[in-house]
Amino acid sequence: AQRVTQPEKLLSVFKGAPVELKCNYSYSGSPELFWYVQYSRQRLQLLLRHISRESIKGFTADLNKGETSFHLKKPFAQEEDSAMYYCALTPSGSARQLTFGSGTQLTVLP
Amino acid sequence: EPEVTQTPSHQVTQMGQEVILRCVPISNHLYFYWYRQILGQKVEFLVSFYNNEISEKSEIFDDQFSVERPDGSNFTLKIRSTKLEDSAMYFCASRRQGTNTGELFFGEGSRLTVL
Repeated sequence: AQRVTQPEKLLSVFKGAPVELKCNYSYSGSPELFWYVQYSRQRLQLLLRHISRESIKGFTADLNKGETSFHLKKPFAQEEDSAMYYCALTPSGSARQLTFGSGTQLTVLP
Repeated sequence: EPEVTQTPSHQVTQMGQEVILRCVPISNHLYFYWYRQILGQKVEFLVSFYNNEISEKSEIFDDQFSVERPDGSNFTLKIRSTKLEDSAMYFCASRRQGTNTGELFFGEGSRLTVL
C-alpha cells in the first residue's frame, strides 16, 4: 500500500525567505509524485508533477528515490504563496487514484 | 477554461436521510472520481469511475454509497442512509484519457453536514 507523509501541518516563513515543504512517501513500485495546491476559497489544483521536471510559480520539486522524498521548494516566498499544499502519489502508469498526504498550510508573512 | 462543477455547495441533512451530491465533469473527460475530506483530516479517495462502471473503490465506499452517471453529463454520489461520520467535504474530480494519470481536475466541493 502506498503512503504519503507531510510532517509539517503548519509552516510560516517571511516574504522573501526560502521555503521547503517536506513530503516523504512509501511505495514498493515506481510512483508518480505530484504537488497540489488549494488557495483560500479555491479548488484543489495541480501545481507540479515530478515527471515534468518543471518550475511553476517559482516552485520546484525533485524526486529523491533514495530518500523517498519529494520536497517542494521555492527560493523566495511571496505572500500569494500562502495556501494549503498537498503532496500526492499514484502508481506509475496506472489509472488508479491519488493518495494524498495530510497537507501543509503555508503562511507567508509580510 | 472548463471546470468541474458541483452542487450543492452545502447540504445539511438529518442522520438516516439519503443524500445525492451532483457533479458535472469537464466534457471531454472520461475518468471520474469522488474524494472526501473530513474536517482537519486528509483528502481520501472514495471511488473511481470509467466506462460507466466503478473501476476502483476504497474501504470507505461501503454499501451505503453508490455512484452513477445517469445522463452522460452528471456524475452523482449517493449516500443511502447518512451517518454523523459522513459529515465532510466531498470533492468530485475528472481526468482526460491519455493525459498523465495523476492530473485530476477538481470541483470546489460539496460540504455535507449530518445532524
